[in-house]
Amino acid sequence: GAVVSQHPSRVICKSGTSVKIECRSLDFQATTMFWYRQFPKQSLMLMATSNEGSKATYEQGVEKDKFLINHASLTLSTLTVASAHPEDSSFYICSARDLGLGTEAFFGQGTRLTVV
Amino acid sequence: AQTVTQSQPEMSVQEAETVTLSCTYDTSENNYYLFWYKQPPSRQMILVIRQEAYKQQNATENRFSVNFQKAAKSFSLKISDSQLGDTAMYFCAFEVDNAGNMLTFGGGTRLMVKP
Repeated sequence: GAVVSQHPSRVICKSGTSVKIECRSLDFQATTMFWYRQFPKQSLMLMATSNEGSKATYEQGVEKDKFLINHASLTLSTLTVASAHPEDSSFYICSARDLGLGTEAFFGQGTRLTVV
Repeated sequence: AQTVTQSQPEMSVQEAETVTLSCTYDTSENNYYLFWYKQPPSRQMILVIRQEAYKQQNATENRFSVNFQKAAKSFSLKISDSQLGDTAMYFCAFEVDNAGNMLTFGGGTRLMVKP
């Protein structure tokens, strides 16, 4: 299957700093990318959907000024957690899909963010 | 809006035995896809099996098969000959048949395969 690379896999940052997480599709063009947040022992919660070259569509309750999503190319989307606080600590997962490859979504390895 | 419910937070099974994970969903759509994803301790999401709603035949992938009951809006996953490597979180997911739509996930079932 297609490969989605997410980086970094783990990051620890100080409260008040910003953190950028990258999601790359390595062997296909990701027309749409999704960002999820997963709390311990819970399911994936969709944060936002982004299409290449367009503004992201955020789910209700997700602060767009805190979770900045950029999908500037067909192979790269970034999630920036602005002015991170301890409550932003979580596991973040991206997924990507190419309409030409059908309906399957391919997932990155996830990023564990710890804000101290 | 679509909802996906997994009523079994945790399950266990002996190695080599068979286990069935339950999933029900609610939707007013007629054309959609259903999925089972596996999330092992590594946290990498892995697609296990996919079912198109318009297909009556249940999907099968090696030891994994589904029982898709469209009228009952039920989509259970059967794992045969369970292996230790099957230990993981399993998520049922739903997607409306409209390219680009997002997945709606169930709450997950933690499966432990015991030696």
